[in-house]
Order: sequence, then C-alpha cells, then structure tokens
Amino acid sequence: QVQLQESGPGLVKPSQTLSLTCTVSGGSISSGDYYWSWIRQPPGKGLEWIGYIYYSGSTYYNPSLKSRVTISVDTSKNQFSLKLSSVTAADTAVYYCARPNTAMRPWDAFDIWGQGTMVTVSS
Amino acid sequence: DIQMTQSPSTLSASVGDRVTITCRASQSISSWLAWYQQKPGKAPKLLIYKASSLESGVPSRFSGSGSGTEFTLTISSLQPDDFATYYCQQYNSYLTFGGGTKVEIK
Repeated sequence: QVQLQESGPGLVKPSQTLSLTCTVSGGSISSGDYYWSWIRQPPGKGLEWIGYIYYSGSTYYNPSLKSRVTISVDTSKNQFSLKLSSVTAADTAVYYCARPNTAMRPWDAFDIWGQGTMVTVSS
Repeated sequence: DIQMTQSPSTLSASVGDRVTITCRASQSISSWLAWYQQKPGKAPKLLIYKASSLESGVPSRFSGSGSGTEFTLTISSLQPDDFATYYCQQYNSYLTFGGGTKVEIK
C-alpha cells in the first residue's frame, strides 16, 4: 500500500527557508492519479492545508501562504517537496504530506498521511 | 474562505456514552465534509468522508450526517480507544479544517 515519509531539517532560523521532502512508496506519483498535498499543525493547534501539486507540476496554494510557498515534484525520485520562505516562529509546526481518498480530485478527504515531521523556527 | 466551526471544543464523556460533535460551515458545502480522529503524536486518521460514508476499516459505531452547513459526527457507544481529538474538514472550496473537539475521559 502507499506510504508517505517526510524528511528535512527539524530546526530552521527565522527569515530563512524551510525545506521538506515527501517520499512516496508503494505507488507512483507519475501515474497521474492523485494530487499530493502538504498540511501543517502548530503545537497544540488545528490543521492548516498548505497546498497541492500534480505530477505535471501544476500547483495550488492556500491563499494565506501563497506568497511564501513553493511545492515541486521530482517524479524520477517519486518525491514532492515544500519550500516555505521567510519563516517566523508562527511557522513552527508538524508538517505532514498527504494523499487524497479519491483519484483525480484536487479537493478531497485525505486517507493517507505521512507520520509528520516537527519543524521548529528558532535562532 | 469557508470557515469551519466545531462544537464543543472539549467534551467529557464516559465509556459507553453516545457522543455527538457538530461542525458548521460558513456557507454551503453540500456533502463535501470529512471527519478525522487524531491521537497525540500521530497523524489524523480518516473516519468519514462525503459527510456520511464510513472509511474502510473504521468501526460502525462512528457515523456522520448532515449536508449544506451543518454536520454531525456521532459515536454510538464510546470506547476507550476513542478518547482523542476530532476534526472536520470541508473540501467543497479548496480545503479548510475545523478547530477540533477533544474527547476526554469524564
């Protein structure tokens, strides 16, 4: 079955760029069946969708983060990545990658999640 | 933006209780609503999608209902494994989550 695994630095300095990668196993991003998302959760708070990417490179971002977010895909490595620029303490969160429940739907429920990776923004 | 409001934010209940959590959307989202369960240190787990469809493998004590702007998640008989935080999520117009409902032991 499909599994997702986030990776990247756990500590980022303020004003720098947060970079994370999600590796997909048990399925192929380039099959074109799914839109792949990033979601985050600050400590003790709720969930916030960041954006998605399709295998072709097509993206859609949360308007509240759009100016700072870039999501990219590397189909040769079966990975997609998140970059969040100009980070502040407010970007401290657990970052999840996730796959929706239904093929070919950009907006959907998420049935497959990575385990999450904690990123702390601090000097 | 579609805002999702969950109530209550915290709920104290006992094993065997019937539990209901409400989620209200700021505008109609048809039936494009999901419910998740999250335990500390874990990723959310999908319970219900399209307002009332039970995800495969989820116990039948969980059920969802509603359409338009008002939705409910019901646990018919609360089990020890059900003490967790529950989130709703709309996917009618991009994606937003509710603030969560923590189900605590009474």
